Amino acid sequence: DQQVKQNSPSLSVQEGRISILNCDYTNSMFDYFLWYKKYPAEGPTFLISISSIKDKNEDGRFTVFLNKSAKHLSLHIVPSQPGDSAVYFCAASQNDYKLSFGAGTTVTVRA
Amino acid sequence: NAGVTQTPKFRVLKTGQSMTLLCAQDMNHEYMYWYRQDPGMGLRLIHYSVGEGTTAKGEVPDGYNVSRLKKQNFLLGLESAAPSQTSVYFCASHWGHTKSYEQYFGPGTRLTVT
Repeated sequence: DQQVKQNSPSLSVQEGRISILNCDYTNSMFDYFLWYKKYPAEGPTFLISISSIKDKNEDGRFTVFLNKSAKHLSLHIVPSQPGDSAVYFCAASQNDYKLSFGAGTTVTVRA
Repeated sequence: NAGVTQTPKFRVLKTGQSMTLLCAQDMNHEYMYWYRQDPGMGLRLIHYSVGEGTTAKGEVPDGYNVSRLKKQNFLLGLESAAPSQTSVYFCASHWGHTKSYEQYFGPGTRLTVT
């Protein structure tokens, strides 16, 4: 049973607008969350992370929000750019250096 | 630094054949991992290693074996390939001594079993 779920397989957004990607988890022992970005024929690359002691982390155009009571996190990309078109994976860890991944969301940024 | 490299990039096997996928990292990382990625499933952990000479099972270990004889290398073996093992395989590594859980990934190996 998947402990990390990304319920939207795809997202289409216009260039310059905000992209919001969502992720839900079921394991309350998860204490660290990450977002990875993946281009076709390449490996995933780390984007941004957040510890469970925080509710927000920002890095340039990327912001991750964590709502522990709802077991929900989201990734905001503002403004969206054509180079942001990729698959985004949500991942979680319970302090054991192993990651559980969601199924991914494919983002397409339209010109 | 090359980071994490994987060999080969592509491979086609017939059912019952065997093969070994090689992962190498030049970052002196302690932890190494093998994942498979299938459509709609995300990345699932096959086996991992917390140091040279150690291995442990992940979420989907059946049909695979691994070895970590040298710190920089992590091998994934398929003794008797099955069509269900058609997938993209990713290797990853992690320093292992920090409170950051970020893993570094290789470019992947696309395996088709016919």
